[in-house]
Amino acid sequence: DGGITQSPKYLFRKEGQNVTLSCEQNLNHDAMYWYRQDPGQGLRLIYYSQIVNDFQKGDIAEGYSVSREKKESFPLTVTSAQKNPTAFYLCASSNGQGIGQPQHFGDGTRLSIL
Amino acid sequence: GQQLNQSPQSMFIQEGEDVSMNCTSSSIFNTWLWYKQDPGEGPVLLIALYKAGELTSNGRLTAQFGITRKDSFLNISASIPSDVGIYFCAGHRAGTSYDKVIFGPGTSLSVIP
Repeated sequence: DGGITQSPKYLFRKEGQNVTLSCEQNLNHDAMYWYRQDPGQGLRLIYYSQIVNDFQKGDIAEGYSVSREKKESFPLTVTSAQKNPTAFYLCASSNGQGIGQPQHFGDGTRLSIL
Repeated sequence: GQQLNQSPQSMFIQEGEDVSMNCTSSSIFNTWLWYKQDPGEGPVLLIALYKAGELTSNGRLTAQFGITRKDSFLNISASIPSDVGIYFCAGHRAGTSYDKVIFGPGTSLSVIP
C-alpha cells in the first residue's frame, strides 16, 4: 500500500544531543513537509520541500534541520539548539501539482527529553 | 501567528446526535481541507473543497466552502463512538503559492454512548 512511514514511533533525546526523525513516502509525491504538534494546538510548519535538493523554512525552523536528497525521503534533525523539543512530529506529503493539493500524513513520532 | 479559528474548541455530544463545527479566517482562502486525527496518529483527510459555495459529502460527513471564502463548515450526522477525535480545518490562502496550507487549532469531539 502507498503511504508515509515515520520512524521511530517514540524517541528519547538526552540534553545536548541531536536526533534524526525518519520520513519515507512511496506515493511518488514531489512535496514533503514537517510539522510540530503540541498538546491542544494545531500543526505548525517546521520545514517543507517542493522538490529534491530544495527545501524552505516554515514558521518554526529554528533548532531544526532537514535534507532532501531523494524524492521519497525527508529526514528531520532536531538539534541541541532546539530547547523545547518535546512534541509530536508529523511528516506529510502532497503531489505538488496544484495549489492547495491535500497533504497526506504519517502516523507521527513522539519525541521526549530524558 | 494563528490565522484560522475553529469553533467550538471542544464538544461533548450524545451518540446519534448531529454535530456542527466551523472554521473562520480574516483572509480569503481558495482551498479548504478537513482532517480528523485519532489519538497518537496522524491526521486523515476527510473532505477537500476547492470552490466557493461547494457542498461535498463523504458518508455521514458534509462540508461546505463558505461563499465569502473566509469560512468553512463541517457537519457530522448521527454521530457514533468512532467519530471521537480532533477535527482540523486547513486552508490554502489566496495569493500564496504551492501546497503550503495553514491549520486551525482543532475541535475536539467526544461522543457519549
